[in-house]
Amino acid sequence: EPEVTQTPSHQVTQMGQEVILRCVPISNHLYFYWYRQILGQKVEFLVSFYNNEISEKSEIFDDQFSVERPDGSNFTLKIRSTKLEDSAMYFCASHPDRNTEAFFGQGTRLTVV
Amino acid sequence: AQSVTQPDIHITVSEGASLELRCNYSYGATPYLFWYVQSPGQGLQLLLKYFSGDTLVQGIKGFEAEFKRSQSSFNLRKPSVHWSDAAEYFCAVGASYGGSQGNLIFGKGTKLSVKP
Repeated sequence: EPEVTQTPSHQVTQMGQEVILRCVPISNHLYFYWYRQILGQKVEFLVSFYNNEISEKSEIFDDQFSVERPDGSNFTLKIRSTKLEDSAMYFCASHPDRNTEAFFGQGTRLTVV
Repeated sequence: AQSVTQPDIHITVSEGASLELRCNYSYGATPYLFWYVQSPGQGLQLLLKYFSGDTLVQGIKGFEAEFKRSQSSFNLRKPSVHWSDAAEYFCAVGASYGGSQGNLIFGKGTKLSVKP
């Protein structure tokens, strides 16, 4: 069964460093998302991406964050200068059309030290 | 503003007992509703969804949920819990117009523990 794949599963980075989280959505999907879950808290929407542009973003998704679909398969989340409070599990999700549910990846645990 | 409330942070049930996890939402239009499950260290797996039609929806692993518009609720149920159901359960609401169904607002989750 096709699935959303995220790499790496765990990343440790120093505060102030740039980090790129990678996702390979399911191949025929058109809508892409990033969510994050700070330890012990709820899953929060960060950004949605469709037709090669951001369609919606939350207040969390400030200038330190960016997303890209550099080729036909990858979907990345970049955090320009990481802060301690960026430590969280980051989930990528995708779905094929507007009226279907999102499929989530296994997540990347980001630890900023 | 849209919101999802899961009033129970942690629930413990005995194996074989029935289960109901509560979810209330606040949304101005017809909601698209979801239940996801997250096992420790794992991603989010969709249990079931409600878009329209029959208000009682069946999902995977023997779960079902009932949409009650009058109560703004979408409670998750299972008649007989198995030890493997121990996990965290998240209720979520998605936009029903304008946006796509992946832009979800999640509740804070209910952690389910199962006693032997």
